[in-house]
Amino acid sequence: QTVVTQEPSLTVSPGGTVTLTCASSTGAVTSGYYPNWFQQKPGQAPKTLIYSTSNKHSWTPARFSGSLLGGKAALTLSGVQPEDEAEYYCLLWYGGAWAFGGGTKLTVL
Amino acid sequence: QVQLQESGPGLVRPSQTLSLTCTVSGGSITSGDYYWGWIRQPAGKGLEWIGRFYTSGTTNYNPSLESRVTISIDSAKNQFSLKLTSVTAADTAIYYCAREFQFWGQGTLVTVSS
Repeated sequence: QTVVTQEPSLTVSPGGTVTLTCASSTGAVTSGYYPNWFQQKPGQAPKTLIYSTSNKHSWTPARFSGSLLGGKAALTLSGVQPEDEAEYYCLLWYGGAWAFGGGTKLTVL
Repeated sequence: QVQLQESGPGLVRPSQTLSLTCTVSGGSITSGDYYWGWIRQPAGKGLEWIGRFYTSGTTNYNPSLESRVTISIDSAKNQFSLKLTSVTAADTAIYYCAREFQFWGQGTLVTVSS
């Protein structure tokens, strides 16, 4: 049973920078895991921000970026806005199935 | 713009089969190289990937659910469906359909209870 691990919670000040990470129980996360990142606000469906490690959708704000960092997938928010307060989920491909991380609750304070 | 809408019973009895349908508008589910899938989320908890269907007919399922899940399509109705057998209270969740993972439905709450 693969486990995808994210920080349970993070706090950032408005205008600041924060990095969320996504680790795999199987070892280092590589581009072959096709990391995806989602943002979910209360009562809403998740919204895709990043796919295949670092690719953005047309609606993804420029302040969001995806990368691989120290054997993990990472989502960096630069110049955080109050509206970025949300739950963030990563998703990894295991060659036959996807697995979500447990989510990171990001507080902007 | 592709839109997806889940539909189905909001209440399912334990040990019965959960059946949901996702209706797609704004594009054909049989055209293009897309995966169509289901994700669920118990109240107050994280997301769980259930499975997906590829336009070629290939399916992939979450190993923890594979013995109980079937995803199929009805191309004539531009719909795809989810069947989950032998449900328990642990299957109570909001169920989302999605075109991986660019477009999502709004989600539908399914409660398993007698």
